[in-house]
Amino acid sequence: AQTVTQSQPEMSVQEAETVTLSCTYDTSESDYYLFWYKQPPSRQMILVIRQEAYKQQNATENRFSVNFQKAAKSFSLKISDSQLGDAAMYFCAYHTGTASKLTFGTGTRLQVTL
Amino acid sequence: DTEVTQTPKHLVMGMTNKKSLKCEQHMGHRAMYWYKQKAKKPPELMFVYSYEKLSINESVPSRFSPECPNSSLLNLHLHALQPEDSALYLCASSQTLPSTDTQYFGPGTRLTVL
Repeated sequence: AQTVTQSQPEMSVQEAETVTLSCTYDTSESDYYLFWYKQPPSRQMILVIRQEAYKQQNATENRFSVNFQKAAKSFSLKISDSQLGDAAMYFCAYHTGTASKLTFGTGTRLQVTL
Repeated sequence: DTEVTQTPKHLVMGMTNKKSLKCEQHMGHRAMYWYKQKAKKPPELMFVYSYEKLSINESVPSRFSPECPNSSLLNLHLHALQPEDSALYLCASSQTLPSTDTQYFGPGTRLTVL
């Protein structure tokens, strides 16, 4: 079965600091896509970053970057210069190239403090 | 423009009511999805439409009836719901199926069944 594990139910970071959210996944497929979604209290699920498994280079989007370790099946999200607006639930998710179903992790709630 | 809209934002209904949730996208996407999300849990896939045809039904009870009248619209008809169906209902869309593209989510409809 395909699974996504987020081992940190809650994390806290001070404003302007850096935080890393962990995610591991399990798949036997070679073609797959990994995502981090952010869900603030407003409820909208917002795409943060996407990584194609065939790409060795780690994806980056402004203050957000990933550490993709394919052999270890690890996909962590690093948030630099944390802002109050980064406070949200973060979901790691993936789907294979042949499936349409997103498999989500259980989420990590990130709190940003002053 | 990566926007998926959903109406209404909030819905309260009794167990004998019939209501509908509406989702709309104008990104030219040909795949649309319904997810159900309980509090503090990840979204769970309910239905997937591809080119206006039902592609995936994740064994959802028949009191939920999806409809895709055209490539931009997705409805979810609700009838004889139970209190345990109270949840956030999220719509999403992507380019096609199988999707190597990102799923973009709407803001959701918060449903309460009394």
